[in-house]
Amino acid sequence: SQQGEEDPQALSIQEGENATMNCSYKTSINNLQWYRQNSGRGLVHLILIRSNEREKHSGRLRVTLDTSKKSSSLLITASRAADTASYFCATTGSGGYQKVTFGTGTKLQVIP
Amino acid sequence: EPEVTQTPSHQVTQMGQEVILRCVPISNHLYFYWYRQILGQKVEFLVSFYNNEISEKSEIFDDQFSVERPDGSNFTLKIRSTKLEDSAMYFCATAGGSYEQYFGPGTRLTVT
Repeated sequence: SQQGEEDPQALSIQEGENATMNCSYKTSINNLQWYRQNSGRGLVHLILIRSNEREKHSGRLRVTLDTSKKSSSLLITASRAADTASYFCATTGSGGYQKVTFGTGTKLQVIP
Repeated sequence: EPEVTQTPSHQVTQMGQEVILRCVPISNHLYFYWYRQILGQKVEFLVSFYNNEISEKSEIFDDQFSVERPDGSNFTLKIRSTKLEDSAMYFCATAGGSYEQYFGPGTRLTVT
């Protein structure tokens, strides 16, 4: 598998429900980030979690990181139709100013 | 909050033409990156640049591509002879002391 793979690839939920997306990676990291992207548009940075952190919150977002399993999850609570987008995890390797490696993304659809 | 900016937002060019994509980094950032995203695919690393030198490049970054900081502020990506398959969104990113990369809004390149 590639560095940074999300599952599921696609997720469809009703407005108000929670959405959980998972990401796995292969190599050691300095940090892991989650981005949102509306179709054909730019990357919106959501949250960054460092390798020595286990959980982080930002508004309706909750990110966990398990470095022993090389995995992360993004939870969006009380979803809204405006949350409909693709969500990518992205890892930065340990050892300084490494490139960011993006995952394949989860396409989230929130049905009003 | 400081931002990375990119120009143009959309560039249409004919196959075989040269294009230059421009990025203005966040002031005092010294690490620069280019990524691209072909429509419907994940974001891929192209090249990293520090101290007026390429630090790392991917297999995608062949002899048709070049980067430079022509005036100490802008960071440019040049594609010498564009191909249809170069059509993509190109993202610039810059980093300062915290390793965290800040992404620009992207330039959509369409090669016809």
